[in-house]
Amino acid sequence: DGGITQSPKYLFRKEGQNVTLSCEQNLNHDAMYWYRQDPGQGLRLIYYSQIVNDFQKGDIAEGYSVSREKKESFPLTVTSAQKNPTAFYLCASSGSGRLYQPQHFGDGTRLSIL
Amino acid sequence: AQSVTQPDIHITVSEGASLELRCNYSYGATPYLFWYVQSPGQGLQLLLKYFSGDTLVQGIKGFEAEFKRSQSSFNLRKPSVHWSDAAEYFCAVGARGGGADGLTFGKGTHLIIQP
Repeated sequence: DGGITQSPKYLFRKEGQNVTLSCEQNLNHDAMYWYRQDPGQGLRLIYYSQIVNDFQKGDIAEGYSVSREKKESFPLTVTSAQKNPTAFYLCASSGSGRLYQPQHFGDGTRLSIL
Repeated sequence: AQSVTQPDIHITVSEGASLELRCNYSYGATPYLFWYVQSPGQGLQLLLKYFSGDTLVQGIKGFEAEFKRSQSSFNLRKPSVHWSDAAEYFCAVGARGGGADGLTFGKGTHLIIQP
């Protein structure tokens, strides 16, 4: 079945440590996205990529980095510069083209601080 | 920039009763509009979308939503809720103009179903 796989489901970070969240899709979608979800805050866009080797900052990109070396993969690194990383992180993807395509979501990664 | 307001943080409904979840958006033109549902610890599932045309859109699981341009609203409805509908519901708006930019989400409405 086609879909989006996020791993790990739970992740713990020590102070001063960088951690990387994985997102893989086999939907052949061009566009991929990372959102952060905090209780009562909805989802906020961190980064998005419309095509391989290109990505743009979203609303809350500070303290995060991404890469898009392959169409199916869009890993997110939470750096030590992100002072409040505890959150639920969701990856999404969508097709592209003339018509707007809805986004499909993975099951998320919950990041906590040790 | 677009924005989305979901005025109700929590809503409690009895099983079998009707449901309406409110969503208001701010955008300079007619946006793309979506409703997503999220079960605890899970990702988001698309319920329905509005792009253009008929302002009453049907979705999965018996949900529907009506786009009202004059009120900048896109309220979600269901005639009879089931206990399995208990979840978090998000309204989202996507900007027109091409590209594949991210969505702007409301803060969500937590639906509680009473037996």
